[in-house]
Amino acid sequence: QSALTQPASVSGSPGQSITISCTGTSSDVGGYNYVSWYQQHPGKAPKLMIYDVSNRPSGVSNRFSGSKSGNTASLTISGLQAEDEADYYCSSYTSSSTSYVFGTGTKVTVL
Amino acid sequence: EVQLVESGGGLVQPGRSLRLSCAASRFTFDDYAMHWVRQAPGKGLEWVSGISWNSGSRGYADSVKGRFTISRDNAKNSLYLQMNSLRGEDTALYYCAKDMKAWFGEGDYFDYWGQGTLVTVSS
Repeated sequence: QSALTQPASVSGSPGQSITISCTGTSSDVGGYNYVSWYQQHPGKAPKLMIYDVSNRPSGVSNRFSGSKSGNTASLTISGLQAEDEADYYCSSYTSSSTSYVFGTGTKVTVL
Repeated sequence: EVQLVESGGGLVQPGRSLRLSCAASRFTFDDYAMHWVRQAPGKGLEWVSGISWNSGSRGYADSVKGRFTISRDNAKNSLYLQMNSLRGEDTALYYCAKDMKAWFGEGDYFDYWGQGTLVTVSS
Protein backbone atom coordinates (compact mmCIF):
# COMPACT_ATOMS: atom_id res chain seq x y z
CA GLN A 1 0.00 0.00 0.00
CA SER A 2 1.62 3.25 -1.11
CA ALA A 3 1.27 6.50 0.76
CA LEU A 4 -1.29 9.01 -0.46
CA THR A 5 0.25 11.77 -2.58
CA GLN A 6 0.48 15.31 -1.23
CA PRO A 7 2.50 18.31 -2.47
CA ALA A 8 5.74 18.65 -0.54
CA SER A 9 5.11 22.29 0.26
CA VAL A 10 2.48 25.01 0.03
CA SER A 11 2.90 28.63 1.04
CA GLY A 12 0.76 31.71 1.43
CA SER A 13 0.68 35.16 2.97
CA PRO A 14 -1.24 35.96 6.15
CA GLY A 15 -4.94 36.28 5.43
CA GLN A 16 -4.82 34.30 2.21
CA SER A 17 -6.37 30.89 1.57
CA ILE A 18 -4.41 27.81 0.62
CA THR A 19 -5.46 24.32 -0.40
CA ILE A 20 -3.57 21.07 0.12
CA SER A 21 -4.43 18.11 -2.09
CA CYS A 22 -4.30 14.44 -1.16
CA THR A 23 -4.50 11.97 -4.04
CA GLY A 24 -5.17 8.29 -3.62
CA THR A 25 -7.05 5.58 -5.48
CA SER A 26 -10.48 4.02 -5.62
CA SER A 27 -9.30 1.62 -2.89
CA ASP A 28 -8.85 4.38 -0.36
CA VAL A 29 -9.76 8.07 -0.81
CA GLY A 30 -12.10 7.48 -3.73
CA GLY A 31 -13.83 4.48 -2.24
CA TYR A 32 -14.71 5.71 1.23
CA ASN A 33 -15.65 8.91 3.04
CA TYR A 34 -13.12 8.08 5.75
CA VAL A 35 -10.59 10.82 5.11
CA SER A 36 -8.94 12.79 7.89
CA TRP A 37 -6.33 15.52 8.20
CA TYR A 38 -3.68 16.05 10.89
CA GLN A 39 -1.57 19.08 11.75
CA GLN A 40 1.90 18.57 13.23
CA HIS A 41 4.11 21.33 14.57
CA PRO A 42 7.85 20.60 14.86
CA GLY A 43 8.64 18.33 17.79
CA LYS A 44 4.97 17.91 18.66
CA ALA A 45 2.41 15.14 18.32
CA PRO A 46 -0.08 15.35 15.46
CA LYS A 47 -3.48 16.97 16.00
CA LEU A 48 -6.72 15.87 14.33
CA MET A 49 -8.14 18.73 12.24
CA ILE A 50 -10.73 17.10 9.97
CA TYR A 51 -12.49 13.72 9.95
CA ASP A 52 -15.10 12.07 7.74
CA VAL A 53 -13.81 14.23 4.85
CA SER A 54 -15.23 17.52 6.12
CA ASN A 55 -16.10 17.39 9.83
CA ARG A 56 -14.18 19.44 12.39
CA PRO A 57 -13.59 18.15 15.92
CA SER A 58 -14.66 20.43 18.72
CA GLY A 59 -12.13 23.22 19.22
CA VAL A 60 -10.72 23.27 15.69
CA SER A 61 -11.04 26.63 13.97
CA ASN A 62 -13.65 26.96 11.22
CA ARG A 63 -10.85 28.36 9.05
CA PHE A 64 -10.06 24.72 8.31
CA SER A 65 -12.32 22.88 5.89
CA GLY A 66 -12.17 19.61 4.00
CA SER A 67 -13.66 18.24 0.81
CA LYS A 68 -13.31 15.36 -1.64
CA SER A 69 -13.78 14.80 -5.34
CA GLY A 70 -13.12 11.40 -6.82
CA ASN A 71 -9.77 10.07 -5.64
CA THR A 72 -8.57 13.44 -4.34
CA ALA A 73 -9.28 15.00 -0.97
CA SER A 74 -8.45 18.60 -0.10
CA LEU A 75 -7.80 20.66 2.99
CA THR A 76 -8.37 24.41 2.74
CA ILE A 77 -7.03 26.86 5.27
CA SER A 78 -8.65 30.27 4.97
CA GLY A 79 -7.44 33.46 6.64
CA LEU A 80 -3.95 32.00 6.94
CA GLN A 81 -2.22 32.78 10.25
CA ALA A 82 1.35 32.40 11.45
CA GLU A 83 0.31 29.61 13.81
CA ASP A 84 -0.87 27.53 10.83
CA GLU A 85 2.73 26.99 9.78
CA ALA A 86 3.19 23.24 10.27
CA ASP A 87 3.22 19.90 8.50
CA TYR A 88 -0.14 18.50 7.39
CA TYR A 89 -0.97 14.87 6.71
CA CYS A 90 -4.06 13.34 5.18
CA SER A 91 -5.16 9.82 6.03
CA SER A 92 -7.69 7.40 4.63
CA TYR A 93 -9.15 4.00 5.35
CA THR A 94 -8.10 1.52 2.68
CA SER A 95 -9.53 -1.76 1.52
CA SER A 96 -6.03 -3.16 1.24
CA SER A 97 -4.68 -5.43 3.97
CA THR A 98 -3.19 -2.35 5.64
CA SER A 99 -6.23 -0.66 7.11
CA TYR A 100 -5.06 2.94 7.14
CA VAL A 101 -2.70 4.94 4.98
CA PHE A 102 -1.26 8.42 5.52
CA GLY A 103 -0.25 10.98 2.94
CA THR A 104 3.33 11.97 2.21
CA GLY A 105 2.88 15.21 4.15
CA THR A 106 2.82 18.89 3.18
CA LYS A 107 4.85 21.64 4.80
CA VAL A 108 2.81 24.83 5.02
CA THR A 109 4.81 28.05 5.17
CA VAL A 110 3.30 31.41 6.06
CA LEU A 111 5.25 34.07 4.19
CA GLU B 1 -7.74 16.42 29.31
CA VAL B 2 -6.92 12.98 27.91
CA GLN B 3 -3.43 11.81 28.75
CA LEU B 4 -1.43 9.14 26.94
CA VAL B 5 2.11 8.32 28.06
CA GLU B 6 4.24 5.92 26.08
CA SER B 7 7.24 4.03 27.45
CA GLY B 8 9.51 1.12 26.62
CA GLY B 9 11.47 2.54 23.72
CA GLY B 10 15.23 2.37 23.42
CA LEU B 11 18.17 1.04 21.44
CA VAL B 12 17.83 -2.58 20.34
CA GLN B 13 19.80 -4.81 17.99
CA PRO B 14 18.27 -6.10 14.75
CA GLY B 15 16.37 -9.32 15.27
CA ARG B 16 15.65 -8.63 18.94
CA SER B 17 12.36 -7.78 20.65
CA LEU B 18 10.90 -4.81 22.49
CA ARG B 19 7.59 -4.16 24.22
CA LEU B 20 6.04 -0.70 24.22
CA SER B 21 3.45 0.43 26.73
CA CYS B 22 0.97 3.29 26.76
CA ALA B 23 -0.62 4.43 30.01
CA ALA B 24 -3.98 6.12 29.49
CA SER B 25 -5.78 8.42 31.89
CA ARG B 26 -8.51 11.05 32.18
CA PHE B 27 -10.96 9.19 29.96
CA THR B 28 -12.85 5.92 30.04
CA PHE B 29 -10.23 3.71 28.40
CA ASP B 30 -12.45 0.72 27.68
CA ASP B 31 -14.91 2.85 25.71
CA TYR B 32 -12.48 3.41 22.84
CA ALA B 33 -10.37 1.65 20.26
CA MET B 34 -6.64 2.44 20.38
CA HIS B 35 -3.81 2.61 17.87
CA TRP B 36 -0.07 2.79 17.38
CA VAL B 37 1.29 5.19 14.76
CA ARG B 38 4.99 5.66 14.05
CA GLN B 39 7.18 8.29 12.47
CA ALA B 40 10.71 7.59 11.29
CA PRO B 41 13.19 10.43 11.91
CA GLY B 42 12.46 13.27 9.49
CA LYS B 43 9.76 11.23 7.73
CA GLY B 44 5.98 11.04 7.59
CA LEU B 45 3.40 9.21 9.65
CA GLU B 46 2.71 5.49 9.29
CA TRP B 47 -0.21 3.68 10.91
CA VAL B 48 1.08 0.53 12.63
CA SER B 49 -1.78 -1.21 14.41
CA GLY B 50 -5.21 -0.78 15.97
CA ILE B 51 -7.37 -2.65 18.48
CA SER B 52 -11.03 -2.49 19.45
CA TRP B 53 -12.23 -1.60 22.93
CA ASN B 54 -12.65 -5.26 23.90
CA SER B 55 -9.69 -6.62 21.88
CA GLY B 56 -12.22 -8.30 19.58
CA SER B 57 -10.80 -6.75 16.44
CA ARG B 58 -7.19 -5.95 15.61
CA GLY B 59 -5.37 -4.80 12.52
CA TYR B 60 -1.79 -4.37 11.38
CA ALA B 61 0.11 -2.59 8.65
CA ASP B 62 1.60 -4.98 6.10
CA SER B 63 5.07 -3.79 7.13
CA VAL B 64 4.69 -5.24 10.64
CA LYS B 65 2.23 -8.08 10.16
CA GLY B 66 3.50 -11.30 11.71
CA ARG B 67 6.15 -9.49 13.76
CA PHE B 68 4.17 -7.05 15.95
CA THR B 69 1.28 -7.80 18.29
CA ILE B 70 -1.05 -5.20 19.77
CA SER B 71 -2.85 -5.83 23.04
CA ARG B 72 -4.59 -3.95 25.84
CA ASP B 73 -5.43 -4.40 29.50
CA ASN B 74 -8.57 -2.43 30.30
CA ALA B 75 -8.18 -3.09 34.03
CA LYS B 76 -4.82 -1.30 33.90
CA ASN B 77 -5.84 1.36 31.35
CA SER B 78 -2.90 0.29 29.24
CA LEU B 79 -2.10 -0.40 25.60
CA TYR B 80 0.85 -2.49 24.47
CA LEU B 81 2.85 -3.25 21.34
CA GLN B 82 5.03 -6.36 21.32
CA MET B 83 7.64 -5.95 18.60
CA ASN B 84 9.62 -9.02 17.51
CA SER B 85 12.23 -9.56 14.81
CA LEU B 86 13.00 -5.87 14.74
CA ARG B 87 14.60 -4.34 11.64
CA GLY B 88 16.41 -1.11 10.92
CA GLU B 89 13.34 0.24 9.14
CA ASP B 90 11.38 -0.06 12.38
CA THR B 91 13.43 2.81 13.81
CA ALA B 92 10.89 5.52 14.62
CA LEU B 93 9.04 7.52 17.23
CA TYR B 94 6.06 5.38 18.22
CA TYR B 95 2.88 7.22 19.17
CA CYS B 96 -0.06 5.82 21.07
CA ALA B 97 -3.32 7.32 19.81
CA LYS B 98 -6.92 7.21 21.01
CA ASP B 99 -9.71 6.47 18.55
CA MET B 100 -12.93 8.46 18.41
CA LYS B 101 -15.02 5.29 18.63
CA ALA B 102 -15.06 1.90 20.27
CA TRP B 103 -14.72 -0.48 17.34
CA PHE B 104 -11.66 -0.77 15.13
CA GLY B 105 -12.23 -0.89 11.38
CA GLU B 106 -13.45 1.79 8.92
CA GLY B 107 -13.72 5.38 10.06
CA ASP B 108 -11.01 5.24 12.71
CA TYR B 109 -9.67 8.66 13.64
CA PHE B 110 -6.94 9.52 16.11
CA ASP B 111 -8.20 12.37 18.27
CA TYR B 112 -5.60 12.28 21.05
CA TRP B 113 -1.93 11.37 20.84
CA GLY B 114 0.87 10.78 23.31
CA GLN B 115 4.30 12.36 22.93
CA GLY B 116 5.84 9.15 21.63
CA THR B 117 8.63 6.78 22.60
CA LEU B 118 11.69 6.41 20.39
CA VAL B 119 12.75 3.00 19.14
CA THR B 120 16.16 2.71 17.52
CA VAL B 121 17.12 -0.57 15.85
CA SER B 122 20.83 -0.74 15.24
CA SER B 123 23.79 -3.00 15.88
